[in-house]
This record gives sequence, C-alpha cells and structure tokens, in this order.
Amino acid sequence: AQSVTQLDSQVPVFEEAPVELRCNYSSSVSVYLFWYVQYPNQGLQLLLKYLSGSTLVKGINGFEAEFNKSQTSFHLRKPSVHISDTAEYFCAVSASGGSYIPTFGRGTSLIVHP
Amino acid sequence: DTGVSQDPRHKITKRGQNVTFRCDPISEHNRLYWYRQTLGQGPEFLTYFQNEAQLEKSRLLSDRFSAERPKGSFSTLEIQRTEQGDSAMYLCASSVSDRYGYTFGSGTRLTVV
Repeated sequence: AQSVTQLDSQVPVFEEAPVELRCNYSSSVSVYLFWYVQYPNQGLQLLLKYLSGSTLVKGINGFEAEFNKSQTSFHLRKPSVHISDTAEYFCAVSASGGSYIPTFGRGTSLIVHP
Repeated sequence: DTGVSQDPRHKITKRGQNVTFRCDPISEHNRLYWYRQTLGQGPEFLTYFQNEAQLEKSRLLSDRFSAERPKGSFSTLEIQRTEQGDSAMYLCASSVSDRYGYTFGSGTRLTVV
C-alpha cells in the first residue's frame, strides 16, 4: 500500500514570488507520481506526472516537480506565481506495474496575494 | 471531445432518500473511476470500471453505495437511504491507463438535509 503526505495545508505567497509545495510518499514498490490542481467548484486537472526517466518533470502553467527517490519526495515548484495560481494542489501516488489506483494527499491550498 | 461530464452539478436531498449520479467519460477512455471528496480532504477512491467490468468495489463506503457501467460507456453511482454524512463532492474520472493520469469531471455536490 502507498501513502502521501502533503506537509503544508496552506501556503501563502506574494505574486511573482517563487513557491514550493511539498509532497512525500511511502511505498514498498516503484511508483508513479502526479500533481493535480483544483480550482473552486471544479474537478481536478493534471499538472504533471513522473513515470520514469528524468527526475525533473515539467508541466502546464509553468510548474515543475522533482522526483527524489532517496528522500521519497516529489515537490512542486514554480519560479514566479500569478494570482490565477490560487487553487488547491493535490499530490498523488500509484504503484507502477499494475492497475493500482492512485492515493491522493490531503491537498495544499496555495494563496497568492497581490 | 467535451471531457468528462457529470450530472447533476448539485443535488440537495432529504435524509433517507435515494440519489443517483451520472458520469459520461471521454469516449476513448475504457477506465472510469468514482471518488468522494469532503471539505479539506483529497479525493477518496470508491470504485472503478474497466469497460463494463467493475474491478474494485471493496472501497465503496457501505452497502448503500452501488455503481454500474452497463455498456462500458456512461456510469451511475447510487446512494440509497442517504445520511447527512454522505454530503460531499462526488467526482468521476476516466483514463486509458493509470500511468497517464486521470481526467476528472467537475463533480456532483451532494447535500443531505
């Protein structure tokens, strides 16, 4: 079984500042890792995913994440945030090599102030 | 392709009533998933289908919950004898494979009064 911990429930930041949203996972097998974004009253939208290969993955809206196997982390970063990035962000992990359903973290609320 | 559609967007029901939600996935996606999301929490997996076969249903919250996907296209989630604790957002998602991530619908928000 796998689990996900999103270390911060809320991250306030000023517009144009950099941001990092932290995600740690636990699994006894190799994993796939995902970040999703959820805007108010909407479903989740896939931002980026790590399946294998390069540990730095780039996604939509200028976001990127780095897979660190030794730290069991998959932190999400953006060098300069916009007001429109204000949303809930979810990290998810699923076991690779089979039909394993992703487990989602509790989410991090990114609040971008002008 | 209009993405994953869920109907209704909002449902208010009295305790004890039955409710049914519908999900229309992306047509090329053979996998369909149901999740529940409560305030301040991440999505919680309920069940999923590959084509018309329901491959995992042990995580449905109780025997009051059931889901169908009769022809491998749209799916329905039914909650019988609703309770106030069933109030939540019910999300549907579809995919071609777990490794590619999911496309989510906008959800059905259920309020049980």
